[in-house]
Formats: sequence, structure tokens, C-alpha cells
Amino acid sequence: DSGVTQTPKHLITATGQRVTLRCSPRSGDLSVYWYQQSLDQGLQFLIQYYNGEERAKGNILERFSAQQFPDLHSELNLSSLELGDSALYFCASSPVRWGDTEAFFGQGTRLTVV
Amino acid sequence: AQTVTQSQPEMSVQEAETVTLSCTYDTSENNYYLFWYKQPPSRQMILVIRQEAYKQQNATENRFSVNFQKAAKSFSLKISDSQLGDTAMYFCAFMKLVGGGATNKLIFGTGTLLAVQP
Repeated sequence: DSGVTQTPKHLITATGQRVTLRCSPRSGDLSVYWYQQSLDQGLQFLIQYYNGEERAKGNILERFSAQQFPDLHSELNLSSLELGDSALYFCASSPVRWGDTEAFFGQGTRLTVV
Repeated sequence: AQTVTQSQPEMSVQEAETVTLSCTYDTSENNYYLFWYKQPPSRQMILVIRQEAYKQQNATENRFSVNFQKAAKSFSLKISDSQLGDTAMYFCAFMKLVGGGATNKLIFGTGTLLAVQP
């Protein structure tokens, strides 16, 4: 168990809908990362939050947004869903200590858009 | 921009034998980390081993070791005494080192699917 909790584990929704994926990082970890794993794009970095603020942005669509709350949990919002958004979405968290580079991954949310 | 390339989409090895997975990367950075992550059928991403670019000594973790060639930008993973539980997708990943103690995003290769045969 990595200590990172993602809910829900599975999500099936229709095109055009909006969903929210939730991530609770390990206790004490200030950084949260979101990654998308799809068959055609592989594992891609979407966005990073650090202590409530956006730190870095990757290949995240404008239809997607994220935030990190004061209790450090994070949510990834996906709207106007398309079939191509079907993927496994991972959240990872990491500590801030210098040299402590490990990112701990949650078990992912499998999103299926039908 | 950094890129990570894994040229072996699939590999197979017999139980108890040794297998090497290849990874090359491209970067202009001098300070970075390299990782191998394992993704079994459970989908969980599990860190196998990490290497700091400033260290010349190759990292080892039990049956897992790396061959890090910084000049060649090569980072291969050797699995000795392969076990059935090693069957998984293996991802090579790059992380640029940043200041301030905060970690950075991972850039992943496309993965190598390893099957350990009984």
C-alpha cells in the first residue's frame, strides 16, 4: 500500500458528461501529481500541485482542471468528456525533503467514456 | 525537452534466468534522476530502483540492478533470477532535479512488457 488513495477505482460515464476524480496523498506529502495512462499516449504528466498551488502543467486539455485543497487532497475535473478521454488516471504524491525523490502512486481511476 | 525511449515493447524470460531491459534518454540537463517502475496486472505503479545522475556507481536493489552510462544516456535494468512475480510492464522514467527540495514530474518511456515463463 503506497498510502495514496484514489477514488473511485472505476468510473463509466457518457460522452459530454463531467466527472471528478479524487486523490488523498500520503500523510505529510505536499506535492500531488496527476498522470494519464492511455493506450495511444502512454503515461503522460498532466499537472502538479504543491501545497495548494499549481506548480507545473503538462499536456492537460483545457476541458480538464485540477485543484488542491487546504487538507492537501486533490481533485481532477474532466468535463465535456470524449471517447478518447478513456484512460487510467493516476495520482502520485511526494515529500519535499531534499533528495527524497520517490513519487508514490495511487492505484488509479479507470475512466471509461461510452 | 527530455525524452525517454524504450525500444523493446515486449520481452520474455524463463524463470530463474537473467533479463536486461533497455532504456535511453535525451536531455541537456546535468542533474537528474532515473527510475524504473513496475506495473503488474494490478495496475499499481511500484518503484523498482532509482539512480542519481551524479553518482557513478550503479544502483542495486536485491535482484535488480542498473547499468547507467551517462555519456551514452543509457539506463538499462537487469533482473537476475527472474521470478513469476516479475511479470509486469516496466517503465523507465526521468526526473529533472530542481532546487528547493521539491520533486518534479516524471517523464516516462512507453514501457516494456516482461513475461516470465515457468
